[in-house]
Amino acid sequence: EVQLVESGGGLVQPGGSLRLSCAASGFIVSSNCMSWVRQAPGKGLEWVSIIYTAGSTHYADSVKDRFTISRDSSKNTLYLQMNSLRAEDTAVYYCARDVGASFPAYFDYWGQGTVVTVSS
Amino acid sequence: EIVVTQSPATLSVSPGERATLSCRARQSISSNLAWYQHKPGQAPRLLVYGASTRATGIPARFSGTGSGTEFTLTISSLQSEDFAVYYCQQYNNWPPYSFGQGTKLEIK
Repeated sequence: EVQLVESGGGLVQPGGSLRLSCAASGFIVSSNCMSWVRQAPGKGLEWVSIIYTAGSTHYADSVKDRFTISRDSSKNTLYLQMNSLRAEDTAVYYCARDVGASFPAYFDYWGQGTVVTVSS
Repeated sequence: EIVVTQSPATLSVSPGERATLSCRARQSISSNLAWYQHKPGQAPRLLVYGASTRATGIPARFSGTGSGTEFTLTISSLQSEDFAVYYCQQYNNWPPYSFGQGTKLEIK
C-alpha cells in the first residue's frame, strides 16, 4: 500500500528556515516524479516544486531561489528545504506522487499534510 | 502558464440531486485534466484523470467529460460524503502545474 507521511512543519519567524520531510512507503520515491503542493489558509491548491526521476527540479516562481526539493533514496524520503520564509508561505504542505515516471502528469497519492506557519 | 478557471465558486445542492462542476482552460489542454476531491484535514483524493477516466475505487456516480478548453465533473446523485471542495488540474503544459481555484460543494 502506498503511503506518504509528511513531517517537519511548525511555527517559524519571517526570514527563518524549515525542512519538511515526506516518508514514502509502498513504492520507491525515485521511481516517480514527486511534488510538493501547498494550501494557504482559505485558498486553493498551489503547486510548489517537483523533482523528476532523473533528479532535475522545477519550482513555482513564488518559491524559486528560496526552496530546494530533494530526495534520499536510502531513506525513501522526499524533502523540501525552505529558506527565507515569508508570511505568505504559511500553508499546509502536501507531498504528492505523480503517476508519471518519465514526465509529470497528475497526482495519484497525497500525504495528509504538515502545517507551516510563518509569523513573528 | 495555463490558467484554469472553475465555476461556480460555491454550489449548493440537496442530497440525491445532481451536481455539475465546470473547469475552463485559457488554451487547449487536450484531455490532460484531472479532478480531485478535498475534505478538511484530509489528503486530496484523485477522482478523474484524462478528463474522463475514473481513478481506482471511485464510484460510478462521478463522471468527467470534456476536451480542449471546456471540462465538466458531474456527480449524479449526491451522497453525504460527497460534500467537499473539488479542484481541477491541467497537466498538458508544465511546469507549472495549474490548479483551478476550487468549487465548494455544500449541502442545500
